[in-house]
Amino acid sequence: KQEVTQIPAALSVPEGENLVLNCSFTDSAIYNLQWFRQDPGKGLTSLLLIQSSQREQTSGRLNASLDKSSGRSTLYIAASQPGDSATYLCAVGDGGATNKLIFGTGTLLAVQP
Amino acid sequence: EAQVTQNPRYLITVTGKKLTVTCSQNMNHEYMSWYRQDPGLGLRQIYYSMNVEVTDKGDVPEGYKVSRKEKRNFPLILESPSPNQTSLYFCASSPWGDEETQYFGPGTRLLVL
Repeated sequence: KQEVTQIPAALSVPEGENLVLNCSFTDSAIYNLQWFRQDPGKGLTSLLLIQSSQREQTSGRLNASLDKSSGRSTLYIAASQPGDSATYLCAVGDGGATNKLIFGTGTLLAVQP
Repeated sequence: EAQVTQNPRYLITVTGKKLTVTCSQNMNHEYMSWYRQDPGLGLRQIYYSMNVEVTDKGDVPEGYKVSRKEKRNFPLILESPSPNQTSLYFCASSPWGDEETQYFGPGTRLLVL
């Protein structure tokens, strides 16, 4: 059974710092991996989607990497801003008939001005 | 604007009183699903639907029903709610395929007394 873990559970950094969020999964047979951002009362916003055949994806200040063999993904945020404060969720797609996403419990990020 | 909408956003009810949470998407997506989010457990899939009239159980379907009579709508029905169904519920949709991002609604916070 696939399990997704995110460490740390919470992180506080000063504005302008580069940071890395970690995600690990137990079964390397994944179809894709997505990083989401969750803001209170606003649902989940997809940040980056990495297909199983890809190693990384970039969008603006965000870069996500995927290493299936080691069961790890990282989300790199460059030059963090207070507006980046949110909970970041990693989700592994198991594809197939269910197209289910298996989520980690998230990292709560606070960027201090 | 492309979006997934849910209603109501907040709901307080009592044990045993049937309720329905509506979900609608305007992106003509084939796939829709429901998740619940609980502290320490992350998001878990309740039910999913691959297309109209095609639904199936996710990981935590007990106590829930769904229907998919139209492509755009996927209501979640709690026939006899219990306190352990107190949770934050999310509806999601996507085009069918492993390479597709899933879009989430804003969430419905349910309290069952």
